[in-house]
Amino acid sequence: KNEVEQSPQNLTAQEGEFITINCSYSVGISALHWLQQHPGGGIVSLFMLSSGKKKHGRLIATINIQEKHSSLHITASHPRDSAVYICAVPYSGGGADGLTFGKGTHLIIQP
Amino acid sequence: DAGVIQSPRHEVTEMGQEVTLRCKPISGHDYLFWYRQTMMRGLELLIYFNNNVPIDDSGMPEDRFSAKMPNASFSTLKIQPSEPRDSAVYFCASSRVVETQYFGPGTRLLVL
Repeated sequence: KNEVEQSPQNLTAQEGEFITINCSYSVGISALHWLQQHPGGGIVSLFMLSSGKKKHGRLIATINIQEKHSSLHITASHPRDSAVYICAVPYSGGGADGLTFGKGTHLIIQP
Repeated sequence: DAGVIQSPRHEVTEMGQEVTLRCKPISGHDYLFWYRQTMMRGLELLIYFNNNVPIDDSGMPEDRFSAKMPNASFSTLKIQPSEPRDSAVYFCASSRVVETQYFGPGTRLLVL
């Protein structure tokens, strides 16, 4: 079973700051997922990536397959970015597989 | 598309009662996943299906839990008998093969 570690667990920052959340995993994977969970509880998939970098608006996700590490960056952070960010990888590393999750990073952006 | 639909959204029941959670995946998706989220353990995979067939149920906590997918548009997760430690938010998600998983809104279960 893949093990996922996220850091930091909690992060409070001021509006406009550059945010980085890190994720490492134990077993080689086909793809890694970044998810966002808002206070209301809904979970939204932000990225699924298997190599390199992806960008969507102010969010950037990178992955280093050799080092089994990924980062999620938020540029020009805004209070509406406040949420829990969760890294997830396939349970056994394979392609079509259930996910195993990190414990999440609680991000608060203060105005 | 309406997205993944789960019902009920909230369920309060007493210990020992049977609980049935329902999920309708996004049309055309081959995979359906059931996850559970608790404060202590975070998000955990319970079971997943491919083309209505259970592929991996190793995350199902014990025999009190069962899941079925009788057709491509419907799945159930049943707990019988329920216990207070089953209190959690249960998420259903669906996807096409090796693609983004789309999560339902979750069912918040409280077992008294």
